Amino acid sequence: KNQVEQSPQSLIILEGKNCTLQCNYTVSPFSNLRWYKQDTGRGPVSLTIMTFSENTKSNGRYTATLDADTKQSSLHITASQLSDSASYICVVSANNAGNMLTFGGGTRLMVKP
Amino acid sequence: EAQVTQNPRYLITVTGKKLTVTCSQNMNHEYMSWYRQDPGLGLRQIYYSMNVEVTDKGDVPEGYKVSRKEKRNFPLILESPSPNQTSLYFCASSLSSGAPSFNNEQFFGPGTRLTVL
Repeated sequence: KNQVEQSPQSLIILEGKNCTLQCNYTVSPFSNLRWYKQDTGRGPVSLTIMTFSENTKSNGRYTATLDADTKQSSLHITASQLSDSASYICVVSANNAGNMLTFGGGTRLMVKP
Repeated sequence: EAQVTQNPRYLITVTGKKLTVTCSQNMNHEYMSWYRQDPGLGLRQIYYSMNVEVTDKGDVPEGYKVSRKEKRNFPLILESPSPNQTSLYFCASSLSSGAPSFNNEQFFGPGTRLTVL
């Protein structure tokens, strides 16, 4: 069964600090992995997409890494801001019909002043 | 503005009273999908549609129906809602039903919070 597990479930950091969120997956055949940011009460918005051959992808202060061998990904947030407070969801796509996505449970990040 | 819209955004209803949540996209996307999001369970796919008149079950289809008569609309129908369908629902669309990629990003609607009493 395809699964995506994220850790930690929740995280509190001070503004300006860095943090790293983890994602482990068992999805086959692997197509790509994305990180979404979901503000409270809103739909997820894509931050990064990585395919099998990509090790790292940046989007401003967000940097995602992918190790396809160990089936792990991380999202690193640099110099956090209050607006980074949100849930971050790891989503892995299988290369099959139906555009099936497997969602992780998310990490809820709170950035405090 | 390119977007996915859902209506209503909030709904409180009673058990057994049929309801429809509408979803519309203005990006000429072929693929549309419905998800529910529950605490501790993440997003789970209910139904998806690869194109007009083509729909298929996702992970948790029980108690739901969908239709895709037009490309832009993908309503979610609860014929006889029950309290376990209380959830936050998201509609999403993407350009095609091919493998997700940089050109095939999935866009999410703002969500519909449903409470069934």
